[in-house]
Amino acid sequence: GDSVTQTEGPVTVSESESLIINCTYSATSIAYPNLFWYVRYPGEGLQLLLKVITAGQKGSSRGFEATYNKETTSFHLQKASVQESDSAVYYCALGNTGANTGKLTFGHGTILRVHP
Amino acid sequence: EAAVTQSPRNKVTVTGGNVTLSCRQTNSHNYMYWYRQDTGHGLRLIHYSYGAGNLQIGDVPDGYKATRTTQEDFFLLLELASPSQTSLYFCASSGAGTGVPGQLYFGEGSKLTVL
Repeated sequence: GDSVTQTEGPVTVSESESLIINCTYSATSIAYPNLFWYVRYPGEGLQLLLKVITAGQKGSSRGFEATYNKETTSFHLQKASVQESDSAVYYCALGNTGANTGKLTFGHGTILRVHP
Repeated sequence: EAAVTQSPRNKVTVTGGNVTLSCRQTNSHNYMYWYRQDTGHGLRLIHYSYGAGNLQIGDVPDGYKATRTTQEDFFLLLELASPSQTSLYFCASSGAGTGVPGQLYFGEGSKLTVL
């Protein structure tokens, strides 16, 4: 079946440092998967951070970016300079195009702690 | 603003107990989902629905029932709760309507503890 593997957390960085959270996927049932990063801030539900539906394309939001690499089956999340407010849990996910786009396969989530 | 509301936010019950988790969305979405989140696992899909009266089986349905009474309301039922069902449960919605079509909108989560 489909699966997503991401960096084991927690990841601890200092404010203004760079960040990379690795994500690799295996899509056995989906020919052209859509890839997502969701984020869950403390006390809140998950919200979409960024989404890329075409291999080779890059998505970006709030200073984060991720490139859909079909050759390495990866979708790593990067940020050049993190802020304390970025402390959250980050989830990589893959899904299919079409009407039922909420049926996603998620990674286990990576806790990010940013120290001032 | 797309909105999904879950209740209760926290619930403690005993083994064999009966639990209902409620979810209401005001997004006019047709799809609704119940996921569970456990340490070391990603969110895993329990059940989902594409409209009132419809129910689809997800990836981890054992021990759970669900019912979609209206377009807005989706319930998750644990009729004989077990400690293995201790988890954080998320409801979500998606579809045409409020917000970005196709994007998942999540509730804040319901933490269930089964003693």
